[in-house]
Amino acid sequence: RKEVEQDPGPFNVPEGATVAFNCTYSNSASQSFFWYRQDCRKEPKLLMSVYSSGNEDGRFTAQLNRASQYISLLIRDSKLSDSATYLCVVKSTGNQFYFGTGTSLTVIP
Amino acid sequence: DVKVTQSSRYLVKRTGEKVFLECVQDMDHENMFWYRQDPGLGLRLIYFSYDVKMKEKGDIPEGYSVSREKKERFSLILESASTNQTSMYLCASSPTLGRGVHYEQYFGPGTRLTVT
Repeated sequence: RKEVEQDPGPFNVPEGATVAFNCTYSNSASQSFFWYRQDCRKEPKLLMSVYSSGNEDGRFTAQLNRASQYISLLIRDSKLSDSATYLCVVKSTGNQFYFGTGTSLTVIP
Repeated sequence: DVKVTQSSRYLVKRTGEKVFLECVQDMDHENMFWYRQDPGLGLRLIYFSYDVKMKEKGDIPEGYSVSREKKERFSLILESASTNQTSMYLCASSPTLGRGVHYEQYFGPGTRLTVT
């Protein structure tokens, strides 16, 4: 079983729409959770960390459900510039980070 | 601003050649990582290092070795390149801030390696 699983999409949404991505992880001892964004042919960059109580950064909201071992990312009022691949990342008790395969988002004018 | 640099953006090598990929970070991070990224497979960890001269195998270490002689530099070596090592190679670094503290990875721009 993979450490981290994501729906690869693609998600094609109109500008202004709200879109949500989910991600599940297998190791209940996982400690740190992140969403990264990766543009085509670029390196991944941190979008936001995910905290136990949930957190928001502008149009982006991240939630963590430890009981069900899933993480979500909600994007409100989608912009064209939000088009990218979103990577779910989980770190367990060691030094290793585990990446999902990514969810592709295209925002359409 | 954290900066992670990689020696080449694009590299073309022949089967059997020894290949060196270099990564340098300027933020005094303890941890450094090498990944490869392939379509449909995501990022897979090859090796990581949590200190100078220390290394640990990741998920796919076969055919690769690493070297970390200085804190800021982490090298990935393909001893004898093969066509199935054609991929995007990404280096990352992260600090160690203590237990229970979130810390993220910072990535270099990647090296797209083609082995013919």
